[in-house]
Amino acid sequence: DGGITQSPKYLFRKEGQNVTLSCEQNLNHDAMYWYRQDPGQGLRLIYYSQIVNDFQKGDIAEGYSVSREKKESFPLTVTSAQKNPTAFYLCASSFVADKTGELFFGEGSRLTVL
Amino acid sequence: SQQGEEDPQALSIQEGENATMNCSYKTSINNLQWYRQNSGRGLVHLILIRSNEREKHSGRLRVTLDTSKKSSSLLITASRAADTASYFCATVRSSGSARQLTFGSGTQLTVLP
Repeated sequence: DGGITQSPKYLFRKEGQNVTLSCEQNLNHDAMYWYRQDPGQGLRLIYYSQIVNDFQKGDIAEGYSVSREKKESFPLTVTSAQKNPTAFYLCASSFVADKTGELFFGEGSRLTVL
Repeated sequence: SQQGEEDPQALSIQEGENATMNCSYKTSINNLQWYRQNSGRGLVHLILIRSNEREKHSGRLRVTLDTSKKSSSLLITASRAADTASYFCATVRSSGSARQLTFGSGTQLTVLP
């Protein structure tokens, strides 16, 4: 079945450690996104990528990094520079040619900093 | 700041009743979308309405759009306990990248059996 797979679902990190969240899609989508969701709030865009080897900062990119070496994969690294990393992270994808912007989401990764 | 803001923040109804959620936004849009999120899960796309449309239906869902008031509403008819979830509106701006959605803060809907 086609879809977006995020891993791990739950992740615990000590302060000062970098962690990488995985996002893989087999929908043949061109664009991929990372969002952050805090309790009771909407989604805020961290980074997005429309083609391989290219990505752009979203609204809250500070303390995060990404790569897009393959069309199917868009990993997110939460660095030690991110001051408040505990949150629910959502990966999404879409067709670039489809200008509606409709997104398909993974099931999310919950990061807790101890 | 968030482009869309949902109202109410939380809504509790009995099974079988209708649920109405509202969304307001600030800038001109290409389209507006509604998503559903079950607790601790990813978002699922429900319905999209374009800026030149006023009303759209999909099963038990009815969406309206008033571009003059910059607002939209989502109506879920004959609600079921399984409709319990958070509902988010998201807008695609008419200018800039059409691939960037801006999400509101959501309405938490609880349907009591």
